[in-house]
This record gives sequence, structure tokens and C-alpha cells, in this order.
Amino acid sequence: AQSVSQHNHHVILSEAASLELGCNYSYGGTVNLFWYVQYPGQHLQLLLKYFSGDPLVKGIKGFEAEFIKSKFSFNLRKPSVQWSDTAEYFCAVFPDNFNKFYFGSGTKLNVKP
Amino acid sequence: EPEVTQTPSHQVTQMGQEVILRCVPISNHLYFYWYRQILGQKVEFLVSFYNNEISEKSEIFDDQFSVERPDGSNFTLKIRSTKLEDSAMYFCASSRDRAYEQYFGPGTRLTVT
Repeated sequence: AQSVSQHNHHVILSEAASLELGCNYSYGGTVNLFWYVQYPGQHLQLLLKYFSGDPLVKGIKGFEAEFIKSKFSFNLRKPSVQWSDTAEYFCAVFPDNFNKFYFGSGTKLNVKP
Repeated sequence: EPEVTQTPSHQVTQMGQEVILRCVPISNHLYFYWYRQILGQKVEFLVSFYNNEISEKSEIFDDQFSVERPDGSNFTLKIRSTKLEDSAMYFCASSRDRAYEQYFGPGTRLTVT
């Protein structure tokens, strides 16, 4: 079975700190990659996606992610977090030979004002 | 902006009862999905549906579960005889194409007592 690993389960940062959340997956073929965010009490919303082309993708709210094929990674970054970024972040992978998303276990980000 | 909607937002039922969770996907989307998220755990894939049939299902999606698209707009998940461990948030999602980003609804919180 395919797997998606998010190594940081809970991250606590102060406002203006830089953020990097790790995501690694196990599938060796072509993948589409996504980061979703779930704000408290809300549903999953797409932050950014990678299908092909430039491995550095920019999403909403100043987030970006870099696809490194050799490392099977798609880490999420933001140079300066805000209190409003407090949420849970999920990495998701869609392998080309499967018909579903595989989600990571999520990383809870707590930004202190 | 079009949204996926789900009803009800919260459903409380007794063990052994049948429940039907309803979803209205985005109108021009062709692929439909159900996921669940047990409190504190990751988002788990249940089933994908395309062209009026199940295209993939997980091991969680046993004979107690069924999905239906009874008309051109609704997509339902039925649990025939609920168990305590079915208590979770159930998310519906839809996508325009197979590997494109999925748009999630706000979820239905199912509580089985």
C-alpha cells in the first residue's frame, strides 16, 4: 500500500517565524501532489498543488512547496507565519496508477501571537 | 465560487440504525468521493465513484456501506447498521477529473451512541 508520511505531528511557532512541514511518500511512479489546510472547525481547503513543470509551486496565503523527486518529498514552506495560520495541514498524494488520494496524518500548527 | 455541500452537519444515531449522509458535489464535476476522519486521526479514503459506479473502495468500505447518486445532483453514503466505531467526521469531495484537486465539503459529524 502507498503511504504518505508527515513527520511533524505538532509544531508550535511564534509569529514571523519561518515554517517548513515535511511530507514524504512511497510511490515510485508519477504523482500529483497537494497540500490541504483545515482551519479549526472548517473543512479541508486546497493550499497548493503540483502536477508537473516547475517543482517549486506557490499557493495561497504565501505558502509554497517544493517537489524533490529524488527524495520523494513535497515539503510545505512559509517564510513568515501569522497567528491566522494556526490550523492542521495535510499532505496528499495521487499516484497515477491509483484512483484515490493518500493523505498524510496531518501536522497541527499552532502559531503564538 | 461553487462549493460542495453536505447535510446534515451533525447526525446522532443509535448503534444498529441506518444513516444516510448527503452531499451535493460541484455541478460540473464527474468524480465523487467519501472520506472519514475519526477524531484526532488522519483523513481516510472510503470510496470513489465515477460514471454511476464505484471505481475504488478501501478496506473500511465493507458491506455495511453503500453509495448512490440517486439523481443528477446528490451523492449519498449509507451506513446500514451503524457501529460505535463509525463515529467520525465524514467528508464528501468532488473533482473535475480523476487526478485533479478534490474539493471538500464541510463534513457531517456522525455520532453513534
